[in-house]
Amino acid sequence: QEQLVESGGGVVQLGRSLRLSCAASGFSFSRYAMYWVRQAPGKGLEWVAVMSYDGSNKYYADSVKGRFTISRDNSKNTLYLQMNSLRAEDTAVYYCARDTRDYNYGYGIDYWGQGTLVTVSS
Amino acid sequence: QSVLTQPPSVSAAPGQKVTISCSGSSSNIGNNYVSWYQQLPGTAPKLLIYDNNKRPSGIPDRFSGSKSGTSATLGITGLQTGDEADYYCGTWDSSLSVGVFGGGTKLTVL
Repeated sequence: QEQLVESGGGVVQLGRSLRLSCAASGFSFSRYAMYWVRQAPGKGLEWVAVMSYDGSNKYYADSVKGRFTISRDNSKNTLYLQMNSLRAEDTAVYYCARDTRDYNYGYGIDYWGQGTLVTVSS
Repeated sequence: QSVLTQPPSVSAAPGQKVTISCSGSSSNIGNNYVSWYQQLPGTAPKLLIYDNNKRPSGIPDRFSGSKSGTSATLGITGLQTGDEADYYCGTWDSSLSVGVFGGGTKLTVL
């Protein structure tokens, strides 16, 4: 069955960097666009970034543009999120997620990981 | 301020029906598919509805979705206490080239 497992979260100081990973299994990872979605404590869902199935297209929320980079390694079935210049407002649970349709993006999310908590402290 | 607008909360009695609205614009809901997600406390979101009105396997037909113009609606019939959760709508915004979510609606089953 489809599974997404995030790792790499933790406590990091203001202005520092962190890289999240998401290991995918149970489906053909290279056929699907993948997302990062975050949720600050007690808040709603916030879309962060998406990368197309082949890595040729990627888009970011304005709140992270220029600081975060989404990437993927289809040979390793892994999605990444490089987070630089971290701010207090980046504190959140970060979810890795898969698009509902293969070879497309922007259609919705059918599988979510369990999330990894990133805490940015001073 | 979310791009998509949802009521912060709704409530109804067990066995009753409730609807949750999601309002957007032509650049998002008006020209893209809408999905709905359920998030139980302390868990990851779960897909309830995709492509405006389709249910993934395993989602009971008590849950339904519809879209008209720049608004979408989630309907839940035969409410159960286990339906108490936060519900989010989501779609793509073609003008911004980003995914967008509603602010979420907390459902209370009285």
